Amino acid sequence: AQKITQTQPGMFVQEKEAVTLDCTYDTSDPSYGLFWYKQPSSGEMIFLIYQGSYDQQNATEGRYSLNFQKARKSANLVISASQLGDSAMYFCAMREAPDSNYQLIWGAGTKLIIKP
Amino acid sequence: DTAVSQTPKYLVTQMGNDKSIKCEQNLGHDTMYWYKQDSKKFLKIMFSYNNKELIINETVPNRFSPKSPDKAHLNLHINSLELGDSAVYFCASSQGVSGTDTQYFGPGTRLTVL
Repeated sequence: AQKITQTQPGMFVQEKEAVTLDCTYDTSDPSYGLFWYKQPSSGEMIFLIYQGSYDQQNATEGRYSLNFQKARKSANLVISASQLGDSAMYFCAMREAPDSNYQLIWGAGTKLIIKP
Repeated sequence: DTAVSQTPKYLVTQMGNDKSIKCEQNLGHDTMYWYKQDSKKFLKIMFSYNNKELIINETVPNRFSPKSPDKAHLNLHINSLELGDSAVYFCASSQGVSGTDTQYFGPGTRLTVL
């Protein structure tokens, strides 16, 4: 079974609008971390934001915030006031407990295109 | 200052050749990784070293051999290259192996096998 699901293979959004990229996860471990990465067309993988399973507050980093709904096992990335430079692939990833050697488990990604 | 660097950025070679990709991190991290990203953008972990010790060794052909001369370096050597090895290979590093440790990626090496 998929442990990380990103249901939107692609999205088009008008510049300056807010964007929500969906991510649901599956784990029975109470301790885990959730990560979002951005991969622009130039190819590099850029870390955006992290949310720990025990964190009480939703993570925020500049225009990025994570809408963490633990009971629903969702960790959606919200980008406020989108910019043309936000066009990229976005990956959600999860890191679980010691049994998995703390491997990052990756989603399939969402391709976001910001329209001018 | 480049945090995680890889060389070369592009590598074009013939089937059957042997090639290496080098990775260095200047973040003082203890853990390093190699990932393969296929044409569909799916990321797959290949290897991970923690303090120069191999801790993750996924199902990867034994033509792929990692080598960590020290904590700051993790190189990937590939023997007898095949067409299916064409992909982007990413090196990454993290402070440690806890669930909170963020992985930082190098720029990637695009390998094309002809």
